[in-house]
Amino acid sequence: DIQMTQSPSSLSASVGDKVTITCQASQDIRNYLNWYRQKPGKAPEVLIYDASNLATGVPSRFSGSGSGTDFTFTISSLQAEDIATYYCQQYENLFTFGPGTKVNIK
Amino acid sequence: VQLQESGPGLVKPSQTLSLTCSVSGGSVSSGGYYWNWIRQHPGKGLEWIGYIYYSGSTDYNPSLRSRLSISVDTSTNQFSLKLRSVSAADTAVYYCASSIVGASARFDYWGQGTLVTVSS
Repeated sequence: DIQMTQSPSSLSASVGDKVTITCQASQDIRNYLNWYRQKPGKAPEVLIYDASNLATGVPSRFSGSGSGTDFTFTISSLQAEDIATYYCQQYENLFTFGPGTKVNIK
Repeated sequence: VQLQESGPGLVKPSQTLSLTCSVSGGSVSSGGYYWNWIRQHPGKGLEWIGYIYYSGSTDYNPSLRSRLSISVDTSTNQFSLKLRSVSAADTAVYYCASSIVGASARFDYWGQGTLVTVSS
């Protein structure tokens, strides 16, 4: 099984701040890594696929990078509507989600 | 594409949890998509349960495989989940979702989720 870890588990930042979340896989997953945002009480929505590709309709303040085992997700300028939990997810072998990073506004 | 989960919100321990996902705006018979179940324990992260392809081929989370069955009904454009011998640990919000087959696989369409509580 491929295990995913994320850090930090939570963070607080001000509107306009740059936010960075990291995700690590227990083995090489190439670029088979997606990022999701889950707002409270809602289903998750995909933001980034294949580590660095912006999903359709997703604002350009979101970006992703990395390959192999180490990945980074960035919000270049945090907005109030970005209050959510963010998950990474691998699909190299079946599907596994990371434990999530809860983002709050300071 | 829209997905909608349906089924009992309360299941007794040791019984079978059964949910159905109705698909509209797309067809479960069209190739290129897997039809998935994903769950989220209260206040916790996401756990992939399994998927089915229109042909009937499936793949399951190894931790649930012995209790799990996913089926598809192309005539009603639905797919279903059955989880046997449930316990309180199966209490969760259950989502159905579609994912692209092969490269660039991602869960692109989701249902709103349905809470299933296992309790006597």
